[in-house]
Amino acid sequence: SQQGEEDPQALSIQEGENATMNCSYKTSINNLQWYRQNSGRGLVHLILIRSNEREKHSGRLRVTLDTSKKSSSLLITASRAADTASYFCATDPVPNTDKLIFGTGTRLQVFP
Amino acid sequence: DAGVIQSPRHEVTEMGQEVTLRCKPISGHNSLFWYRQTMMRGLELLIYFNNNVPIDDSGMPEDRFSAKMPNASFSTLKIQPSEPRDSAVYFCASSPLTGELQETQYFGPGTRLLVL
Repeated sequence: SQQGEEDPQALSIQEGENATMNCSYKTSINNLQWYRQNSGRGLVHLILIRSNEREKHSGRLRVTLDTSKKSSSLLITASRAADTASYFCATDPVPNTDKLIFGTGTRLQVFP
Repeated sequence: DAGVIQSPRHEVTEMGQEVTLRCKPISGHNSLFWYRQTMMRGLELLIYFNNNVPIDDSGMPEDRFSAKMPNASFSTLKIQPSEPRDSAVYFCASSPLTGELQETQYFGPGTRLLVL
């Protein structure tokens, strides 16, 4: 069964708006990662947040982690048309096995 | 750094034929992962290797699938015989086992397989 479930499945916004995607998972984790996938391409790592961290920033990306609720959110501020892609959360579950468990993804469409 | 290299990028074959997908991980990375992505099932981990040794192949669908990693710079995923339900995009990813980004995976561009 999949560890991560993203919400919403699809999101459409205008350029300049913020986009928020959520991820819920089931078991204890070492860390949680977010990846982006442009159409027809491989996944690209965006950001990693460890289980003892609550918030992390990278450029226009802000990630939060609530281990008590087993959930994470990815916020993209001031979105651009180039942010159009699918976004996946991936968890590194405890005990560590080197495997990542990927969620179902959120398809983000940013209109110019 | 060329990143993870996969070949071929596209493959069209007929049911029953053997298909071999190839992957060259990033130099120095010790872990290699094979994934399959479909609309219905999302991204599924098929098998992964650490230091060329298969660690977990529980995601391999059935005996028609096999994977090898003869050395640190090359891996293959073979399907024999192929079936239409194997049609998917197959990704290879690699990861360093040490360092700050040891848990991060670097994906190749994928091989789009269509079995007729």
